[in-house]
Amino acid sequence: DTAVSQTPKYLVTQMGNDKSIKCEQNLGHDTMYWYKQDSKKFLKIMFSYNNKELIINETVPNRFSPKSPDKAHLNLHINSLELGDSAVYFCASSQVSSGSRNTQYFGPGTRLTVL
Amino acid sequence: RKEVEQDPGPFNVPEGATVAFNCTYSNSASQSFFWYRQDCRKEPKLLMSVYSSGNEDGRFTAQLNRASQYISLLIRDSKLSDSATYLCVVNRANDYKLSFGAGTTVTVRA
Repeated sequence: DTAVSQTPKYLVTQMGNDKSIKCEQNLGHDTMYWYKQDSKKFLKIMFSYNNKELIINETVPNRFSPKSPDKAHLNLHINSLELGDSAVYFCASSQVSSGSRNTQYFGPGTRLTVL
Repeated sequence: RKEVEQDPGPFNVPEGATVAFNCTYSNSASQSFFWYRQDCRKEPKLLMSVYSSGNEDGRFTAQLNRASQYISLLIRDSKLSDSATYLCVVNRANDYKLSFGAGTTVTVRA
């Protein structure tokens, strides 16, 4: 009965590699997000999709490419991984409709370590 | 200036004590307010939404002061399990983006 799930939970890889993280939500929400939390613990929004359309695209290197095949899934592909990409990546989802609060629910996170 | 500012703490309190802390936000257009809780190496989880008139959920009380642009969280009768980082979260109307504070760390000791 997991609401927002991510795979993999841990990812250890070498610099220069390409990797993907997957996210799925079964809450029926229309909006999904990717956040990065680095060692300083600050949560930063990276991307958001609403009904498969990109609506938030923060200042993120273009090595990061999100993809939303449908509104229940949002994947993150990272090319040419760098040491500074090491962080925890959280997926989240919410139902954003007129007048409602944007209450976001988070996945368990993917801890990425680049060696 | 950051959009949401919090005292990072840590607040070290004995079991059974009351602990309270604030967060300030800079954008007066902010409409929705939340407290999330994050345990070490885990995801943020919604603790409670904050409503204009203030609201309570068991031992937790949240207040909103729009004039001074701050929200507060008070925890009564602290339990060891309340040890966590508490994230203040603010959302502007019709904005998909949430603004997170850096968190306030609370440690409850036996």
